[in-house]
Amino acid sequence: GAGVSQTPSNKVTEKGKYVELRCDPISGHTALYWYRQSLGQGPEFLIYFQGTGAADDSGLPNDRFFAVRPEGSVSTLKIQRTERGDSAVYLCASSFLTGTEQFFGPGTRLTVL
Amino acid sequence: AQTVTQSQPEMSVQEAETVTLSCTYDTSESDYYLFWYKQPPSRQMILVIRQEAYKQQNATENRFSVNFQKAAKSFSLKISDSQLGDAAMYFCAYQGGSEKLVFGKGMKLTVNP
Repeated sequence: GAGVSQTPSNKVTEKGKYVELRCDPISGHTALYWYRQSLGQGPEFLIYFQGTGAADDSGLPNDRFFAVRPEGSVSTLKIQRTERGDSAVYLCASSFLTGTEQFFGPGTRLTVL
Repeated sequence: AQTVTQSQPEMSVQEAETVTLSCTYDTSESDYYLFWYKQPPSRQMILVIRQEAYKQQNATENRFSVNFQKAAKSFSLKISDSQLGDAAMYFCAYQGGSEKLVFGKGMKLTVNP
């Protein structure tokens, strides 16, 4: 596809479980970003990758959150021991280079029961 | 840290009329970008317009234009000839030296036929 895709679209899990959220960026985009959008709020930055490496992970809330991008394309956001407060829409974006327009995916809505 | 404030949580406009959405921000950086994003119920963030801080000329994109007041740290969006498809959440965002976008809380725009 031409745009950023994210899977799954919706994820319901139980407190304490482990989840993985996937992001497929636009082909050729070197930078990839994760944001979290809680209900009634604007998106908040979590982490961004330049190629395979995490260039800035200052937005990750705690060590239960981890993200990888092993081949510089697809990225996975991993959340361990989920808590109800992790419920949110997780948005992924990619850009051709850092400093250029970020194109967003449709997000994954995570619900932790 | 940079902050973005959208003080109006909701606005409504009649179809074909003009509406202005307000945004203020705080930063100590001199070089940065400002954005307005639209988020329909599909959740996908769509870039509406972008302004470089070093440019004095206000950006325009068809029916969308901004009023950028750098000294006042104000960045408002004007939508002319409002259409039903303009109804959405609108987010003001800042991007400075780091690559992350800092978003405001958003504003819900309703367009009445």
